[in-house]
Amino acid sequence: EVQVVQSGAEVKKPGSTVKISCKVSGHMFSDNLMHWVQQAPGKGLEWMGLVDLENGKTKYREKFQGRVTIIADTSTDTTYMELSSLRAEDTAVYYCAEEQMLRGPFDYWGQGTLVTVSS
Amino acid sequence: DIQLTQSPSFLSASVGDRVTITCRASQGIATSLAWYQQKPGRAPKLLIYEASSLQSGVPSWFSGSGSGTDFTLTISSLQPEDFGTYYCQQFNAYPRTFGQGTKLEIK
Repeated sequence: EVQVVQSGAEVKKPGSTVKISCKVSGHMFSDNLMHWVQQAPGKGLEWMGLVDLENGKTKYREKFQGRVTIIADTSTDTTYMELSSLRAEDTAVYYCAEEQMLRGPFDYWGQGTLVTVSS
Repeated sequence: DIQLTQSPSFLSASVGDRVTITCRASQGIATSLAWYQQKPGRAPKLLIYEASSLQSGVPSWFSGSGSGTDFTLTISSLQPEDFGTYYCQQFNAYPRTFGQGTKLEIK
């Protein structure tokens, strides 16, 4: 059974950086893409970016370019998303979601990580 | 960016009803569309991919159709557990985009 487990909730000060982890188990880590999705309180889903688990290449939404870094550690089947220069509007639940075999849809999702940005 | 517009934004229906949610893309995306269900406090769950393919384990009363710019998610006979918010998503181009969501309430 595939499991995707994210790290726990975080409370951060404005201007700081948060790093969230996402560990996959139950299948081959490579040949897939890991995406990150932001969901602000009471709002919809917004795609932030992805990492290719085969070669480490990344692609980011323009809105987050320069503030977000997504990396994959194939030795531990773990992906990390780092968001810097945090502001109040970054308060949200962040999901990692795996796209298998470049099919397109997001097959498996983590449980979500709540990041609260507050002074 | 490809914009996805869902309608309606809110829907209240009774058990046994046939429910239809539509998703319109701002440009043609062939059949590169997925549907997700999200319940409060939970991660989204994939229901339909490639516009009309049912994800493994998803009940058969869910179905999807459409291509190009117009898509539909249909629940043929609404069940109590089908409450939640439904999102369409396109994977034809980057950035991947989602519709704004349709909140489904069971009367």
